Amino acid sequence: NAGVTQTPKFRVLKTGQSMTLLCAQDMNHEYMYWYRQDPGMGLRLIHYSVGEGTTAKGEVPDGYNVSRLKKQNFLLGLESAAPSQTSVYFCASTHRAGANVLTFGAGSRLTVL
Amino acid sequence: AQSVTQLDSHVSVSEGTPVLLRCNYSSSYSPSLFWYVQHPNKGLQLLLKYTSAATLVKGINGFEAEFKKSETSFHLTKPSAHMSDAAEYFCVVSDQTRNSGAGSYQLTFGKGTKLSVIP
Repeated sequence: NAGVTQTPKFRVLKTGQSMTLLCAQDMNHEYMYWYRQDPGMGLRLIHYSVGEGTTAKGEVPDGYNVSRLKKQNFLLGLESAAPSQTSVYFCASTHRAGANVLTFGAGSRLTVL
Repeated sequence: AQSVTQLDSHVSVSEGTPVLLRCNYSSSYSPSLFWYVQHPNKGLQLLLKYTSAATLVKGINGFEAEFKKSETSFHLTKPSAHMSDAAEYFCVVSDQTRNSGAGSYQLTFGKGTKLSVIP
């Protein structure tokens, strides 16, 4: 089925370790987003991309980096993980800004010890 | 700046009774509004969206929402709750005019309302 695939689904890290979350979509969407979800906080935008080779900061970008080398992939990196980055991360994509609907991945649960 | 307030963090209803999840928004422009649902350990799925057409919007699974500009509200309703409706619901706003160009698109999510359905 077409959609957004996130890998890995679960990961446990130690403080200071690095890792990359991969988001892949097969719908030829231009816009891609990384959100984090924490209890009682809703979803907060980390970074987003409006096309291949472009990225921009969202609401909570500190401690994260992203890359969009290919249109279908959007990578989220943690260079030095901290316990405050324990969260569930969601990737989403859409054709265009505004009224178009976001398609979400199933989420990646990250625990930093 | 746009913002969304979901007035209840938790709503509990009995199966077969009506559901009302409340959402108020603020927006400087002509907003698009959405309701998403998240079942446990799943991603978010669109329930319905408003984009300046009819003010009463019908979505999936019997849900509907009414856009009331004078009250800046977009409440979600369903006439009769089902056990499978138990989930978390998010109200989302997008400033369509301001975000029509590249590089400026952001959605603002409410903090969510957890719906419990009692058998």
